[in-house]
Amino acid sequence: DVKVTQSSRYLVKRTGEKVFLECVQDMDHENMFWYRQDPGLGLRLIYFSYDVKMKEKGDIPEGYSVSREKKERFSLILESASTNQTSMYLCASRSLAGGLNTGELFFGEGSRLTVL
Amino acid sequence: RKEVEQDPGPFNVPEGATVAFNCTYSNSASQSFFWYRQDCRKEPKLLMSVYSSGNEDGRFTAQLNRASQYISLLIRDSKLSDSATYLCAVNVDTGKLIFGQGTTLQVKP
Repeated sequence: DVKVTQSSRYLVKRTGEKVFLECVQDMDHENMFWYRQDPGLGLRLIYFSYDVKMKEKGDIPEGYSVSREKKERFSLILESASTNQTSMYLCASRSLAGGLNTGELFFGEGSRLTVL
Repeated sequence: RKEVEQDPGPFNVPEGATVAFNCTYSNSASQSFFWYRQDCRKEPKLLMSVYSSGNEDGRFTAQLNRASQYISLLIRDSKLSDSATYLCAVNVDTGKLIFGQGTTLQVKP
C-alpha cells in the first residue's frame, strides 16, 4: 500500500514563527502536492511538484514556499506564520505511471496547524 | 468564477434513496476527472475516475458532460455508510488537480 506520512498531526505555533511541514511518500511517486482544507472552502492547492527540484504554484501560494530536494520528500514552509494560516494541511502524491494527469492522489492524514 | 464548483449541501436522504451530485468546471482544457470521498476527520480517498463514456461501479455511476462542463455522481440505494463528503476533482492541463469544495451527504435510517 502507498504510504504518505506527514510529520506532525497537530502543531501550535505563534505568529511570526517559521513552520516546516514535512511529507514523505514511499512509492517513488513523481508528483507531490500540498493542499489546505478549510470549512466551506474545500481543498485549495498551495504548491505542487512534478518531480525532484521542480515546483509549481497552485492557487494560493502566498505566504508559503516548498522544497523538494529528494523524490520522496516534499516540505511546506511558512516563513512567518500568521493566524490566517491556521488550517488543515494535506500532502498528497501521485504516480505518472498511468499517464500524465490520470493517476490517483494518495493523501497523508493531514497536519492541523494552529497559529496563535 | 471558481475553477471547480459543487453544491456543498448538506444532502439529507433516507436509506435506499437515490441521490445525485453535480460538479461544474470552468477550464475547457481539463483532461481528467475524479470523485473522491472524505469521511469525517479523515483524508480524501479516490472513489472513482470519470470517463467520457461514463462508468459504473456497483451502486455508483459517474458521468462527464464536456459540452456543458460538468461531471455527476449518482448513488443508488443509499446506505448509512455512504454518509461522507464527496469531492470532485479536475486535472487542468498544467497537471494541477483542483478540487471542488465538496458535497456533504447524510444518509438517515
